[in-house]
Amino acid sequence: ETGVTQTPRHLVMGMTNKKSLKCEQHLGHNAMYWYKQSAKKPLELMFVYNFKEQTENNSVPSRFSPECPNSSHLFLHLHTLQPEDSALYLCASSQDPLAGADWYFGPGTRLTVT
Amino acid sequence: AQSVAQPEDQVNVAEGNPLTVKCTYSVSGNPYLFWYVQYPNRGLQFLLKYITGDNLVKGSYGFEAEFNKSQTSFHLKKPSALVSDSALYFCAVRASWGGGNKLTFGTGTQLKVEL
Repeated sequence: ETGVTQTPRHLVMGMTNKKSLKCEQHLGHNAMYWYKQSAKKPLELMFVYNFKEQTENNSVPSRFSPECPNSSHLFLHLHTLQPEDSALYLCASSQDPLAGADWYFGPGTRLTVT
Repeated sequence: AQSVAQPEDQVNVAEGNPLTVKCTYSVSGNPYLFWYVQYPNRGLQFLLKYITGDNLVKGSYGFEAEFNKSQTSFHLKKPSALVSDSALYFCAVRASWGGGNKLTFGTGTQLKVEL
């Protein structure tokens, strides 16, 4: 275990549903991230939060909406997704984004959009 | 823009033989380089990193990597492979200055170690 947890681990949703992914870290880190992992493609950075403030949105469609209520929790709200959004969504955290700090990853949520 | 190339989708090695997983990078300025491993149905686990100093970096589970600035490479190596090393390996890079929070990953290399 890396200290980063994600729920649910698996999610199947229709294109008209609304669901949320949750990430939690108790490592005392101040930066949290959402990544998308699709087969045969590099991990795609989606969002970055530093001290609860969003510092990066990597041209992510608005059907993905992040929320960071505090330094320990990160959510990804999903609505009207497309089948191509099916992927493994990974949450990560790090201590100091400006140093060579390690990123700690959660186990991911396997999302299937039907 | 920064990028990582992992030229091999899959590497096959016999147990007990040395293994190498290749990685080259492109970044402005000095790089911070990382290797992560992913086992089935698990998140990415940190293996090792190069920040500064000795070009040969030693990490978890007997893995090491050598930073080569002239070749912009950071190949992952292990002297004697184990079947349990079979997993998906990712190389990642971040600029040491001005890179912000952006850790850029390669496409991953599937390592298969057979008896």
